[in-house]
Amino acid sequence: QVQLQESGPGLVKPSQTLSLTCAVSGGSITSGTYYWSWIRQPAGKGLEWIGRIYTAGSTIYNPSLKSRVTISIDTSKNQFSLELTSVTAADTAVYYCAQGEAAAKFDYWGQGTLVTVSS
Amino acid sequence: QPVLTQPTSLSASPGASARFTCTLRSGINVDTYKIYWYQQKPGSHPRYLLTYKSDSDNQRGSGVPSRFSGSKNASTNAGLLLISGLQSEDEADYFCAIWYSSTVVFGGGTKLTVL
Repeated sequence: QVQLQESGPGLVKPSQTLSLTCAVSGGSITSGTYYWSWIRQPAGKGLEWIGRIYTAGSTIYNPSLKSRVTISIDTSKNQFSLELTSVTAADTAVYYCAQGEAAAKFDYWGQGTLVTVSS
Repeated sequence: QPVLTQPTSLSASPGASARFTCTLRSGINVDTYKIYWYQQKPGSHPRYLLTYKSDSDNQRGSGVPSRFSGSKNASTNAGLLLISGLQSEDEADYFCAIWYSSTVVFGGGTKLTVL
């Protein structure tokens, strides 16, 4: 069974870049036809899909974040990453990575990592 | 108007049934979409429950009990999540989602209280 684990700084200063990595274990990130997504959730609020990368490397981003987001995949390390530029306090949230095999179906999730944007 | 609208809260008694609604914005036909449902307990990541498009096109996630089921109400343009035989462990937030206009859209979530 695949397991996902997010890692990265828990505190980012305003205007800087948020960078997170999701390590995949229990299977190869290149096996099967899966989508690897990032999803976030501000405290006490709902879920917001950030974007995804397909095993072959193609990406789709949420239009509301598209200008600031990059998702990449490193098959040699069996992981994928998120970069979000020019962050503000509104980007403070728990960030989840997730794997799915269909459009909005996320079968496996990381435990989530809290990122706070503050000076 | 949001793409997906969910009531903020729902309460029901143990052993009873709970019916969650996920209403699609006017102009977005529920018949066209697969509705995905997730359960999230405090401090945990969301858990995939099921997908429902029609009676012939639906699936439950691994380990999800059969008392969780999906449906649609075409007249109200809504996807439905039904939980029968409510248990205290079902108390959680429930989110719906669709793939719309090349993006994943989540509903705001409904908090279920079992009392």
